[in-house]
Amino acid sequence: SQKIEQNSEALNIQEGKTATLTCNYTNYSPAYLQWYRQDPGRGPVFLLLIRENEKEKRKERLKVTFDTTLKQSLFHITASQPADSATYLCALDMVNTGFQKLVFGTGTRLLVSP
Amino acid sequence: EPEVTQTPSHQVTQMGQEVILRCVPISNHLYFYWYRQILGQKVEFLVSFYNNEISEKSEIFDDQFSVERPDGSNFTLKIRSTKLEDSAMYFCASSDYGSGETQYFGPGTRLLVL
Repeated sequence: SQKIEQNSEALNIQEGKTATLTCNYTNYSPAYLQWYRQDPGRGPVFLLLIRENEKEKRKERLKVTFDTTLKQSLFHITASQPADSATYLCALDMVNTGFQKLVFGTGTRLLVSP
Repeated sequence: EPEVTQTPSHQVTQMGQEVILRCVPISNHLYFYWYRQILGQKVEFLVSFYNNEISEKSEIFDDQFSVERPDGSNFTLKIRSTKLEDSAMYFCASSDYGSGETQYFGPGTRLLVL
């Protein structure tokens, strides 16, 4: 069966440390993988997109890797801040029909303490 | 910065009633989507819409659901006869291209079916 797995337990880290979140998937072949941030009661906010032929992508303090052999993406936030506390969603960008359909993981809640 | 808007922010309805959730996508976007998120669960794809027709729909999107772009700015989701299990947060999203592009999400409509 198809699965997208993210750590269900909250990740607690101290301010200034690097947070690393994991997204593993099975029985999917996404062309792209996206990471979103979601705050309580709000809609997902796009952070980064990485293509299947890219190994790594960076944007400011954010870095994402994509290993299509391992079927895994890692999402890193360096020099984390309390304002980074949120739920982070991994989404597979399925293009089978030529139209975009995002399939989301359950998300990992990140708590950054001062 | 342009954003997706949704109305109402909250909707309470009786089981069996019809509801219409409204969205105004970003003005130059061509692709439109509805997702839902049951409390504590993952964001789930419902339907994508392009060129005035549905391009893809999920198993959740049964005959009780319909979408429409009644004019050049609005995009609506109608649930004809609501069930208790339709209680969820409904997110509208839009993008300017199909696959491999950022989807911009609205703030959501929280639907409660009693």
